[in-house]
Amino acid sequence: GAVVSQHPSRVICKSGTSVKIECRSLDFQATTMFWYRQFPKQSLMLMATSNEGSKATYEQGVEKDKFLINHASLTLSTLTVTSAHPEDSSFYICSATIATSGGDYEQYFGPGTRLTVT
Amino acid sequence: AQSVAQPEDQVNVAEGNPLTVKCTYSVSGNPYLFWYVQYPNRGLQFLLKYITGDNLVKGSYGFEAEFNKSQTSFHLKKPSALVSDSALYFCAVRVAGYSTLTFGKGTMLLVSP
Repeated sequence: GAVVSQHPSRVICKSGTSVKIECRSLDFQATTMFWYRQFPKQSLMLMATSNEGSKATYEQGVEKDKFLINHASLTLSTLTVTSAHPEDSSFYICSATIATSGGDYEQYFGPGTRLTVT
Repeated sequence: AQSVAQPEDQVNVAEGNPLTVKCTYSVSGNPYLFWYVQYPNRGLQFLLKYITGDNLVKGSYGFEAEFNKSQTSFHLKKPSALVSDSALYFCAVRVAGYSTLTFGKGTMLLVSP
């Protein structure tokens, strides 16, 4: 099946620094990539939708200047958490979609990145 | 707007017993329904989905789910639980085309030996 990877799997950074998380579709070209955030024992919250070559669409309440998303190619999207603060500590999950016949799509999830800001 | 309700934060079941994890949904149009499982510090693993056709859907690891349109439900079931089934389970819904998935809050399944 289709595989989505994320790098790094874990990262610890100091408050005020920036962190970049990569999401790659390894064996397919993704139509769209999504970024989710998950707090402990809670559900996934959609942060943004990312299409290759265009600006990401952010969900209401998500600061686009803080969570920079770049979708440079059909296999790579990056999420940069700028000027990170402890409240940004969370589990970040990406997903990548591939179009299917009939106008629908399949969505595949990455393994997640645990960000801890100290 | 679409939404998913998972009414139970946690379900406890003894190994070998049947399990049910409940899910109800609300969506405009025909729903596409999904179940995912998440182990600690891991991403989501796909279990099964309902798009159309037979209301009983069989998925990975012996799980199945039944789509009930009149009750707008899509409960996850397994005839005989394993300790290794202990994990966080998410129900999700979307409609056809390029719509986003909406997740329920998740249900922790604990299977005791």
